Amino acid sequence: DGGITQSPKYLFRKEGQNVTLSCEQNLNHDAMYWYRQDPGQGLRLIYYSQIVNDFQKGDIAEGYSVSREKKESFPLTVTSAQKNPTAFYLCASIQGNTEAFFGQGTRLTVV
Amino acid sequence: GIQVEQSPPDLILQEGANSTLRCNFSDSVNNLQWFHQNPWGQLINLFYIPSGTKQNGRLSATTVATERYSLLYISSSQTTDSGVYFCAVARTGGFKTIFGAGTRLFVKA
Repeated sequence: DGGITQSPKYLFRKEGQNVTLSCEQNLNHDAMYWYRQDPGQGLRLIYYSQIVNDFQKGDIAEGYSVSREKKESFPLTVTSAQKNPTAFYLCASIQGNTEAFFGQGTRLTVV
Repeated sequence: GIQVEQSPPDLILQEGANSTLRCNFSDSVNNLQWFHQNPWGQLINLFYIPSGTKQNGRLSATTVATERYSLLYISSSQTTDSGVYFCAVARTGGFKTIFGAGTRLFVKA
């Protein structure tokens, strides 16, 4: 099936650790996005990438890093510099200026 | 950057009632979508509607781009309609898709 796959579904991180969230798509979309959602809130843009080997900061990029080495993959690393990483993370892909499609999300908890 | 405001923030309906959700945006857009977030967090695409009117079953949406708003209509609401409805836009000439804060809908049986 075509779609966007995020893994893992749940992730626990110790204080001071870096963790990487996976996002893979087989829709052949050029653009991919990462969003963060806190409880009861909307989605805030972390990073986005329009093409391979290029990405831009969104509104809340501090403490996060990304790479886009392949069209299909856009992993997000939550670094130890992110002071409040507990949240729900959503990845999306879009072709051109049409519909965005989302993965099922990763719930990250700091323990 | 572009501002997206959704209203009302919260809405409680009796099953069978109709409702209208509104999305106002502060700049011209070339992309507007409505999503439904279910209790498990999954975002379901409802409409891609940068302008005009579309209908899908009990749901319909209208975007008046020149007046910078979009409306989502839910008719004969069902308990399964409960969740959060988001409007997301991309400014004309831009690539960032920005979300509103959402409307939280609860439909009572």
